Amino acid sequence: EVQLVESGGALVQPGGSVRLSCVASGFIFRTYEMDWVRQAPGKGLEWVAYIDSVESNTRYADSVKGRFTISRDNAKNSLFLQMNSLRAEDTALYFCAREWGGGKMNAWGQGVQVIVSS
Amino acid sequence: DIQMTQSPSSLSASVGDRVTITCQASQGIDIYLNWYQQKPGKAPKLLIYDASNLQAGVPSRFSGSGSGTDFTFAISSLQPEDIATYFCQQYDILPVTFGQGTRLEIK
Repeated sequence: EVQLVESGGALVQPGGSVRLSCVASGFIFRTYEMDWVRQAPGKGLEWVAYIDSVESNTRYADSVKGRFTISRDNAKNSLFLQMNSLRAEDTALYFCAREWGGGKMNAWGQGVQVIVSS
Repeated sequence: DIQMTQSPSSLSASVGDRVTITCQASQGIDIYLNWYQQKPGKAPKLLIYDASNLQAGVPSRFSGSGSGTDFTFAISSLQPEDIATYFCQQYDILPVTFGQGTRLEIK
């Protein structure tokens, strides 16, 4: 069974940092591209970041570029999102998602909450 | 960025009804359009990919059509378990963008 399990969510002050993790199981993690997608309370979905299967190519939404870093450890079947200089508008439920065939997200984690507030 | 406009934003229908949702892209995206279902408190689930292809395991009452800028998602016979919010998503050009969602309720 394909599973993605996120962790690392927190309540953090503006300007602070958080590192999210996503552990994959049930599929060959190193062969898939991965994404982070977020959902602010009561809002829609916003794509945040992308990483290819071998960590040679990463992409970011303009809203997080220069503040967030996506990375992965294929030996540990893990995906990460380092979030720095956090703002109130980064408050959201963060999902990791497996990407198939370019842009099709066919497996999602349950989400992890990040709240940025003083 | 490509803007995805879904309509309606909410919809109330009866069990057994045919339901349709539209999604319009701000520029042509060929068939690079997916549809997701998100039930309350859950992660999104891919239902339709490349505009009209049914994801494995998804009931055949769900369907999608369209290309270019105009797309349609349909449920042929609404079931109680279909209560959810539905999102379209384009992946033709980065950044990937989603529609604002359509909340579907049972009348």
